[in-house]
Amino acid sequence: SQTIHQWPATLVQPVGSPLSLECTVEGTSNPNLYWYRQAAGRGLQLLFYSVGIGQISSEVPQNLSASRPQDRQFILSSKKLLLSDSGFYLCAWTSSGSRAFFGQGTRLTVV
Amino acid sequence: DQQVKQNSPSLSVQEGRISILNCDYTNSMFDYFLWYKKYPAEGPTFLISISSIKDKNEDGRFTVFLNKSAKHLSLHIVPSQPGDSAVYFCAAQHYGGSQGNLIFGKGTKLSVKP
Repeated sequence: SQTIHQWPATLVQPVGSPLSLECTVEGTSNPNLYWYRQAAGRGLQLLFYSVGIGQISSEVPQNLSASRPQDRQFILSSKKLLLSDSGFYLCAWTSSGSRAFFGQGTRLTVV
Repeated sequence: DQQVKQNSPSLSVQEGRISILNCDYTNSMFDYFLWYKKYPAEGPTFLISISSIKDKNEDGRFTVFLNKSAKHLSLHIVPSQPGDSAVYFCAAQHYGGSQGNLIFGKGTKLSVKP
């Protein structure tokens, strides 16, 4: 069966520090991968999606970046966090013929 | 530009009555629509979906209706239960598209009162 792992579950980082959130998927090949952010009162905002290794599409210009070094690995990064980067980050995957499955999320607080 | 809109941020319903959550979209290329339920500090979980070739899909207490001409879909929950209290997200996708992006609305917080 397919599973999705996302870590860490919670993170408190100072302003200006770097960020790395990792997401891995098991039990499927060549999934579409997504990073979403849920900020207070903003719903689920699509940040990045990837349809294959090294293929990243950005939906929202900001100081975040994403990478897909392996087929089932998706990484969200930042070189310098801002206060406005605080939120609940969700990784998700889809593949042909299936709905999206979400990880449990990472609560990021930038202080 | 918001492609998927849920104009009601919250909805309160009495237990046993019908809950109707609405969603509008602007992109006529969307051909697959989904509803997700989300509890605080958890990832969304899939509820029900519908493709554009259908106008209704039913699964137990949940029914999704699609009106393509109006670019509108709705989720009906009958009867509503207190455990249904959560944030509900509508999502849309161009299933046959090469980009594969899945776009969500801002969500509607449903409160079902005993």
